[in-house]
Amino acid sequence: NAGVTQTPKFRVLKTGQSMTLLCAQDMNHEYMYWYRQDPGMGLRLIHYSVGEGTTAKGEVPDGYNVSRLKKQNFLLGLESAAPSQTSVYFCASSYSSGGNTEAFFGQGTRLTVV
Amino acid sequence: GESVGLHLPTLSVQEGDNSIINCAYSNSASDYFIWYKQESGKGPQFIIDIRSNMDKRQGQRVTVLLNKTVKHLSLQIAATQPGDSAVYFCAEPYTGRRALTFGSGTRLQVQP
Repeated sequence: NAGVTQTPKFRVLKTGQSMTLLCAQDMNHEYMYWYRQDPGMGLRLIHYSVGEGTTAKGEVPDGYNVSRLKKQNFLLGLESAAPSQTSVYFCASSYSSGGNTEAFFGQGTRLTVV
Repeated sequence: GESVGLHLPTLSVQEGDNSIINCAYSNSASDYFIWYKQESGKGPQFIIDIRSNMDKRQGQRVTVLLNKTVKHLSLQIAATQPGDSAVYFCAEPYTGRRALTFGSGTRLQVQP
């Protein structure tokens, strides 16, 4: 069972470069999320989606964009990377309302911006 | 705004002992709570959840207790094993967003 798969697992970017993180889930979940996790901190919600073609801002959306063109995929984009975006990024999905049920997480993408 | 926090950043226990990890929440309207375990280099994994119409829920070696009066949640792990070493997070729904908000986590260290 693949569950939630994130690519890439590691990436180093130079300040100002752009990149896209891909999240894919094979559980037919409606809801998908992007979180970031900084050292010694919990996860903070960047953006989320309640269904194909929809996106919504989370707690820390600045500097990021997302797209949900297909139900199974949720893309996170950084248009102009900054050192403050160095973090571990986690994608998650859930079958029902995101605040009322378990979310399944991917293994994370470790991003370093130099 | 609401917050989900933890009393202790690190908890060290002896193998075989019981562990108790605590969590405070501030949103009295929260009706769902969930505990996750995160091992080093991995994503969070679901442990157990509880809804606000319950005070206690048991799983395999784990029990979650909910005290709505003082807005407190705890995770009890029986007979703690080395494999239980991880960071534990409690989470609750964001207000106004259909997603979970997480506390900062407690690191559980199991001493042999």
